[in-house]
Amino acid sequence: GAGVSQSPSNKVTEKGKDVELRCDPISGHTALYWYRQSLGQGLEFLIYFQGNSAPDKSGLPSDRFSAERTGGSVSTLTIQRTQQEDSAVYLCASSLVGLNTEAFFGQGTRLTVV
Amino acid sequence: GDSVTQMEGPVTLSEEAFLTINCTYTATGYPSLFWYVQYPGEGLQLLLKATKADDKGSNKGFEATYRKETTSFHLEKGSVQVSDSAVYFCALTPGGGNKLTFGTGTQLKVEL
Repeated sequence: GAGVSQSPSNKVTEKGKDVELRCDPISGHTALYWYRQSLGQGLEFLIYFQGNSAPDKSGLPSDRFSAERTGGSVSTLTIQRTQQEDSAVYLCASSLVGLNTEAFFGQGTRLTVV
Repeated sequence: GDSVTQMEGPVTLSEEAFLTINCTYTATGYPSLFWYVQYPGEGLQLLLKATKADDKGSNKGFEATYRKETTSFHLEKGSVQVSDSAVYFCALTPGGGNKLTFGTGTQLKVEL
């Protein structure tokens, strides 16, 4: 596609339910990132995939969060047993691998846990 | 680990005023530095970047100079417009890597 696509754009879920957020990166981009943007909290790094290397999961806030990237393309971020503090905008970005390359961001998924 | 610190907002300016948004960083080696912008209702997009010391990134009238001696990358614009109202994020990638580390963002509001 022309840009990074995320779905759904909005998700309202009940506390305790599991959710899956999807990211379709730009074709050919081998680096993929997930960030969380909370009101007043800026951009919080969650996880980073680069090619076939083991992902950098150092930003995942708890073991309720996991992500996978199938076939080096589409990525899914899963949040199990959602809590109200998980409410945020989840942003995905992709880039070419290489020095100083620009990361392109999707529009994000706004998650609201009620 | 790597970190980015930027001035807190919101910053409110009158049109045609001079803008400075401060950004300092902590990183090992020689990072690359970026400013991203998020306009209302839109996704994050790259505004400008600098990849080595003393480089100046520029775009849309905005400028930022990579100052290694002060570990800073302050964003400036000589005359802001209402259309510049947005949230601005300073970010870095480590030398030899791609992982982006962002500051907390600074909201800019420009009024007539």
